[in-house]
Order: sequence, then structure tokens, then C-alpha cells
Amino acid sequence: NAGVMQNPRHLVRRRGQEARLRCSPMKGHSHVYWYRQLPEEGLKFMVYLQKENIIDESGMPKERFSAEFPKEGPSILRIQQVVRGDSAAYFCATLPGTSGHNTGELFFGEGSRLTVL
Amino acid sequence: GQSLEQPSEVTAVEGAIVQINCTYQTSGFYGLSWYQQHDGGAPTFLSYNALDGLEETGRFSSFLSRSDSYGYLLLQELQMKDSASYFCAVSSGNTPLVFGKGTRLSVIA
Repeated sequence: NAGVMQNPRHLVRRRGQEARLRCSPMKGHSHVYWYRQLPEEGLKFMVYLQKENIIDESGMPKERFSAEFPKEGPSILRIQQVVRGDSAAYFCATLPGTSGHNTGELFFGEGSRLTVL
Repeated sequence: GQSLEQPSEVTAVEGAIVQINCTYQTSGFYGLSWYQQHDGGAPTFLSYNALDGLEETGRFSSFLSRSDSYGYLLLQELQMKDSASYFCAVSSGNTPLVFGKGTRLSVIA
């Protein structure tokens, strides 16, 4: 039973390019959260999705960032026209569809580390 | 809004006991979680407290006092491999987990 899979693990982009980060949840998990982590910082919530729906995007910057979780395939976090301040580790975390959110346990992927030159 | 406070760094000796504190302010509270993260790795779940008191899992224990909005993670018989960052996180039901900034634990010989 594979865990949460994220790719790429490392991504280098030049300013102005686009970054696409992918997250494949654990089998049976249909809730996906994206978090961003800056060096020496905690995890900042960005967006919460269920299949084909954005449930909460209160942590997403209003411009350049978007996320989707299609019926088929992985969840994708897309950053357009990247800037140096976007350099960070982006973590995906998932939950089972039938599980409540009250156990405090998220299953994290290994993260995608974006470096913007 | 929600906010959590925890020390930024703690150093302890191998074999010793260390306590990492966490205080929180939140509107709506379900429980307090703890996560461990090694450098370059994924955060991994350690424990969750919804009720007051101490929960023990092997060398790690976690405590919660809802009335004081306070909890701690206790690590016993410290090992070098316990050197990592530890995050507390607040659960408020169907809202996303909110994490503290983390405590970097260094275990020295």
C-alpha cells in the first residue's frame, strides 16, 4: 500500500516560468491538503480539495496559484510566473474519504522542493 | 483566528527526558496533534489529544489541558535519531490543521 506520492521531489525554475506539482493520495483517500513550508518555518495551509471540488482555498495567494483534484489522476498545484519568494517545500497531505477530520492525523507526502532562480 | 506558540529550539542529552511545550489560541477546538519532521523529510504523525490528560506511546507521551489551552510532548530515553523538528497542530473539526512554527530538537552525546 503505497503512501502519498509527490513529484517531482525537486524542481528548479527560472523567474516567470510555471511550476506544476503533483500529488497522488494513498489508496482510498479522497481528501487532499496542500501546505507550504519555508525554511525554518512551520507548515502553512494553502488549499483543501476533494475529488473535483475545492473545499477551502483560504490559504492560497489570490494570483498565480491554482489547484485541482480531477476525477481521475493526481491533484496538481500550479504556480504560474514564479518568483523567488515561491521557493519553498510544498507538501501534500491526504485523508480517507470516510474518515472524520477529528483525529488530527494527516498523511504527508515527502514534499516537492521548488527553487526559483 | 488560530495561533500556536512553541519554543524554537531545544537541546538535550542522549538518554535524558525533554518536554516541548505548546500553547494555542483558537476559535473552536477539537484536539492537539504532534508531528515529527527530520530534515528534508515528510512530517509524520506522533500523537493526538482530544481530552485532558496524558497519552503514552512508547518513549513519547503527549499531554493536553483544554482549560489552559496548553499541551506538551514528552520524549524519554532520548536517542540521537530523535533530533528533528517537532510541530504541534490544532484541529478545529472540518477546518484544516493549523501548525505551530516548530521546535528544533538537538540531541547531543
